[in-house]
Amino acid sequence: EAGVAQSPRYKIIEKRQSVAFWCNPISGHATLYWYQQILGQGPKLLIQFQNNGVVDDSQLPKDRFSAERLKGVDSTLKIQPAKLEDSAVYLCASRSQGGEQYFGPGTRLTVT
Amino acid sequence: AQRVTQPEKLLSVFKGAPVELKCNYSYSGSPELFWYVQYSRQRLQLLLRHISRESIKGFTADLNKGETSFHLKKPFAQEEDSAMYYCALSAGGTSYGKLTFGQGTILTVHP
Repeated sequence: EAGVAQSPRYKIIEKRQSVAFWCNPISGHATLYWYQQILGQGPKLLIQFQNNGVVDDSQLPKDRFSAERLKGVDSTLKIQPAKLEDSAVYLCASRSQGGEQYFGPGTRLTVT
Repeated sequence: AQRVTQPEKLLSVFKGAPVELKCNYSYSGSPELFWYVQYSRQRLQLLLRHISRESIKGFTADLNKGETSFHLKKPFAQEEDSAMYYCALSAGGTSYGKLTFGQGTILTVHP
């Protein structure tokens, strides 16, 4: 099966600019996750969708981050405005019915 | 709230030596524990999960609820085992598989 796809793979922006990331999960996977991985740390969950509904966004900085999954398939994560501390790898993952999470290659964001 | 601790950021061993990557967790319920691995220039992938009780690539991990640990072990390390390893916990139930990760351990296996 095709894996989780993410784009872009790399993005460099200046602080206060906005940026959007796209994720296409594995076909049929109802649960989709966005994680933030800061250098030297493990991934941290930002938001979790079940189909097109939000299950958990307790760790999403909602003043600047937003995410949607309108048709229960693809998802976008947006940051507006970006801060220096948002520099990280943003990982998208989807979950099979068996419980295994499959990760995308990630988007490496650098905020200057 | 759940927490996962991997006390070693770096671990170096020689080929053929035993290796143990430590993982401790805190969670009041019955967690599901995982080990994920990320090889150089590859995406994060599942190595093993405690409920399957499998040995993958020679690695095993036993959930010790008394010590709240889920250490990863391999009796004879190989150079291709060099990678970043993450221990992760899922609270189960209505969490829909949300994972809490440790900080990771970089394993280097020298020839």
